[in-house]
Amino acid sequence: EVQLVESGGGLVKPGGSLRLSCAASGFTFSINSMNWVRQAPGKGLEWVSSISSSSAYIYYADSVKGRFTISRDNAKNSLYLQMNSLRAEDTAVYYCASTTVTTWGIFDYWGQGTLVTVSS
Amino acid sequence: DIQMTQSPSSLSASVGDRVTITCRASQSISSHLNWYQQKPGKAPKLLIYAASSFQSGVPSRFSGSGSGTDFTLTISTLQPEDFATYYCQESDSTPYTFGQGTKLEIK
Repeated sequence: EVQLVESGGGLVKPGGSLRLSCAASGFTFSINSMNWVRQAPGKGLEWVSSISSSSAYIYYADSVKGRFTISRDNAKNSLYLQMNSLRAEDTAVYYCASTTVTTWGIFDYWGQGTLVTVSS
Repeated sequence: DIQMTQSPSSLSASVGDRVTITCRASQSISSHLNWYQQKPGKAPKLLIYAASSFQSGVPSRFSGSGSGTDFTLTISTLQPEDFATYYCQESDSTPYTFGQGTKLEIK
């Protein structure tokens, strides 16, 4: 059974930093691309970032480019999102999502999410 | 960026009804269209990918169709557990844009 478990969310002041983690199990993590998707309170879904299996290809939404960094450790079956220069508009539930099908951009399994609140 | 527009934004229906949700892309995305279901307080769940392919474990009452710019998600016979919010999402190119969602409520 595929399991994705996010951690690292919390309350942070504007301008602060936070590092999210996602622990993966139940599938061959090292051969699949991975993603972060977020959802502001009461709002829709927004894609944040994607990373290929070997980390050779990385993409970001314009809203986070230059502030967020996605990375992975295939030996630890883990995905990360380093978030710097946080803004109020980054407040959201952040989901880790896998792409186990062959095509990029399909989010076939999701974690339960971790809430990030940016407020003074 | 590709814009995704869903209609309707909300929909009231009864158990047993047939329901159709539409999604339009601002430019052609071939068949790179996915549908998700989200229940309150839960993570989204992939239902349909590549416009019409079923994700494993999804009931056969869900179906997807379309290509190019116009797509539909159909639920043939609504069940109580189907009341949720549905999102379409393009996977043609980054940013992978989602539609604004369709909230399906009990009439």
